[in-house]
Amino acid sequence: AQSVTQLGSHVTVSEGALVLLRCNYSSSVPPYLFWYVQYPNQGLQLLLKYTTGATLVKGINGFEAEFKKSETSFHLTKPSAHMSDAAEYFCAVSVLGTSYGKLTFGQGTILTVHP
Amino acid sequence: NAGVTQTPKFQVLKTGQSMTLQCAQDMNHEYMSWYRQDPGMGLRLIHYSVGAGITDQGEVPNGYNVSRSTTEDFPLRLLSAAPSQTSVYFCASSLKPQGANEKLFFGSGTQLSVL
Repeated sequence: AQSVTQLGSHVTVSEGALVLLRCNYSSSVPPYLFWYVQYPNQGLQLLLKYTTGATLVKGINGFEAEFKKSETSFHLTKPSAHMSDAAEYFCAVSVLGTSYGKLTFGQGTILTVHP
Repeated sequence: NAGVTQTPKFQVLKTGQSMTLQCAQDMNHEYMSWYRQDPGMGLRLIHYSVGAGITDQGEVPNGYNVSRSTTEDFPLRLLSAAPSQTSVYFCASSLKPQGANEKLFFGSGTQLSVL
């Protein structure tokens, strides 16, 4: 069974500061890892995903994440926060074990950006 | 493209009432699913479908029914609403199984309150 833990339910940064959202996963098989973003009153949108190969994954809006197998982590970063980055972010892990597979979401991290 | 369309956006029910949340997608996706989102708990899978006529239970199926008569539509029925079903509900679809490194397309959600 797989699981995801997001460290910190709320993260606050100043505009222009580094954004770091932490995600650790547990999986008995090589995982597929995702970050989704949810803007207020909207559904989730895919930010980026890790499959195989390059461990540093670049996504939309300047975000990137690094898969570290030894640390079972997939932290999301952005060098310089923008006001428009304020949203809730979800880390997710998927495993294809059945005909449908299973996507497990973390608890979410709300990012607040102060001017 | 409309993508995934959910209706209604908001709904208030009294305990014991029934209702159907509608979900439609126009991307010819075989795989569709329903999630509920509760604070601090991320998204939890309610029911899913791998194609017309095929549905199965997810993580939290109790109190919900689904059917899939067409590829496009995947309604979620609450037969007798309970306050514990107060939540935000999301419908999602994908071209391939969730576990197959596949991006999910989400609707904008239905906010349900059960009094």
